[in-house]
This record gives sequence, C-alpha cells and structure tokens, in this order.
Amino acid sequence: QVQLQESGPGLVKPSETLSLTCTVSGYSISSGYYWGWIRQPPGKGLEWIGSIYHSGSTYYNPSLKSRVTISVDTSKNQFSLKLSSVTAADTAVYYCARVVGAFDIWGQGTMVTVSS
Amino acid sequence: QSVLTQPPSVSGAPGQRVTISCTGSSSNIGAGYDVHWYQQLPGTAPKLLIYGNSNRPSGVPDRFSGSKSGTSASLAITGLQAEDEADYYCQSYDSSLSAFYVFGTGTKVTVL
Repeated sequence: QVQLQESGPGLVKPSETLSLTCTVSGYSISSGYYWGWIRQPPGKGLEWIGSIYHSGSTYYNPSLKSRVTISVDTSKNQFSLKLSSVTAADTAVYYCARVVGAFDIWGQGTMVTVSS
Repeated sequence: QSVLTQPPSVSGAPGQRVTISCTGSSSNIGAGYDVHWYQQLPGTAPKLLIYGNSNRPSGVPDRFSGSKSGTSASLAITGLQAEDEADYYCQSYDSSLSAFYVFGTGTKVTVL
C-alpha cells in the first residue's frame, strides 16, 4: 500500500532554514496526484503549507509563500519542503500527504523544534 | 487563522449520537467546494474519515456520516464508542486570498 515517511532534523536554529523530505513508497509520484505538506503546532490545529505536482508545479499558503519552497525528485520518489527564516512560531509537527482533493494518505509526522 | 469554524468540544455517552458542525463562507463551503473530515487520535497523524462531503473511505465504519448544506457541513457519529474519542477536523478549498486548502478549528470529542 501507499506509505509516506517524513525525514529531517528535529531541531533548527532561529533564522535558519528548515528542510524536510517525504519519501513515498508503494506509488510512483510520476503517476500523478498532488503531494502536500501540512503542519500542526503543539496543541493547535492543522495548517496547509503547500502542494506540488510531479511536473513541479506548486502552490503555497499565501501566509507562508515568501518563505516556502517545495520541490520534487521523481527519481528518488521524494518531495521536499524548505522553510526559511524560521522562528519559534514554526515549531510544529510537519506532515506530508497525498492530495486527491482531500488529503487521503498521511505520513506519521515529524516534530521540528525551532530553538537556539 | 482558520476560516472554517468548529465547536471546540462535544461529548456524549457510549451509544449516543453526536454531531460536529463546520461553518464556512461563500468563498469555501458556500461556493460549492467539497468538505472532507479527518479523525486524529492522540499522538497520531490525521486519518481521512469522510471525503467529498459524505463518502466514507474503505474501512471507515458507517457510524460516521457527513453532510453539507449552504455554507456549513456536519459530521455525525452514531452509536458513539470509546475509541471515537479524538480530535476531528473539517477541510475544504477556499477561493479567497486566505489559502487554497483550509482546515477547521478542530473539535475534541469526549466519550463520557
């Protein structure tokens, strides 16, 4: 079955860039669908960050757009998130998911803490 | 910043029926965009519960049902069970400048 797994540093310093990768298994990204990133600050709700198609076309949450870059590597069946100039407000669990209108398959999530 | 409003909490005894509302506006639910619902058990990733307003993915019990009307949507849980204690989120698409995909504020369901 289709599975997604996030990976990346769990601790990032303020003002630096947060980088995460989502590895997809059981399905080829090149076959279609959009793929997205969602985050959840501790004790709070869900926030959509952005999404990417296998062709590389992207769209981002306007509130984060100036700091977000999402890219795809179809050869590795992965897509990645970069969030620049992070602050403590970016501390959250970051999820990757497949987008079919709804987010139908999710990774387990990875906690990223922004702290010096 | 959520544009979809849910009650913070609802509760019910085992076997009862509870409903969760999701109130939006003319730029999201009211514009005809689909509403989806997610269940998030403590310490786990959200799980798709209802898609396309009222459809259940394979494996989701028929105790869960969704509906949509006007600028709002609802999730109903009938025959409430202890294992249903979780956070529930609605989600839709928004055509304004807020965001393309928007989530509700979330509702904690407590089984008494």
